[in-house]
Amino acid sequence: EVQLVESGGGLVQPGRSLRLSCTASGFTFGDYAMSWIRQAPGKGLEWVGFIRNEAYGGTTEYAASVKGRFAISRDDSKSIAYLQMNSLKTEDTAVYYCTRRRDYVDHYWGQGTLVTVSS
Amino acid sequence: QSALTQPASVSGSPGQSITISCTGTSSDVGGYNRVSWYQQHPGKAPKLMIFDVSNRPSGVSNRFSGSKSGNTASLTISGLQAEDEADYYCSSYTSSSTVVFGGGTKLTVL
Repeated sequence: EVQLVESGGGLVQPGRSLRLSCTASGFTFGDYAMSWIRQAPGKGLEWVGFIRNEAYGGTTEYAASVKGRFAISRDDSKSIAYLQMNSLKTEDTAVYYCTRRRDYVDHYWGQGTLVTVSS
Repeated sequence: QSALTQPASVSGSPGQSITISCTGTSSDVGGYNRVSWYQQHPGKAPKLMIFDVSNRPSGVSNRFSGSKSGNTASLTISGLQAEDEADYYCSSYTSSSTVVFGGGTKLTVL
């Protein structure tokens, strides 16, 4: 069974950093790209970015709203994807979901972790 | 990249059919057959319902179908059931190698 478990969320002050983790199980992690998608309270889904698997260079793509502040990485030996968030703003407050992505589709989603940016 | 345009809300009675539209541009919806639809119940993670415009993942009811014409994709739900009441989001791959979502549509089953 595919499982994705996000962790690392919490309350953080504006301008500070936070790293989220997505621990995967039930599939060969290295065969898939991994995405991060967020949802502000009461709002819609917003794509954050994704990281391709090593077969496709392990390269990353980001939304304009986070480019230069957020970075996605992966550790295939541990089956974990990371979202490093720097220079956090109040508008980054959201539930952050990780997904398993393949062939342009986010098939499986985790349950999400809440990040609150507030002083 | 601007969000795809969806109606804020749609409604229908049990047994009826409804259609939710998702309008983009030639740089996303119109340029690629990479449109997905997600269902989200309150407090839950989104669930993939349709991918690549019209394909259903295994386990998704065949009451859900997708299509596309030009820059507009559509999700149709036939034989509405109470459990279909949820928020629905479309997404598309874009020419910038990014992903864009629609603003979401709240489906109410009357």
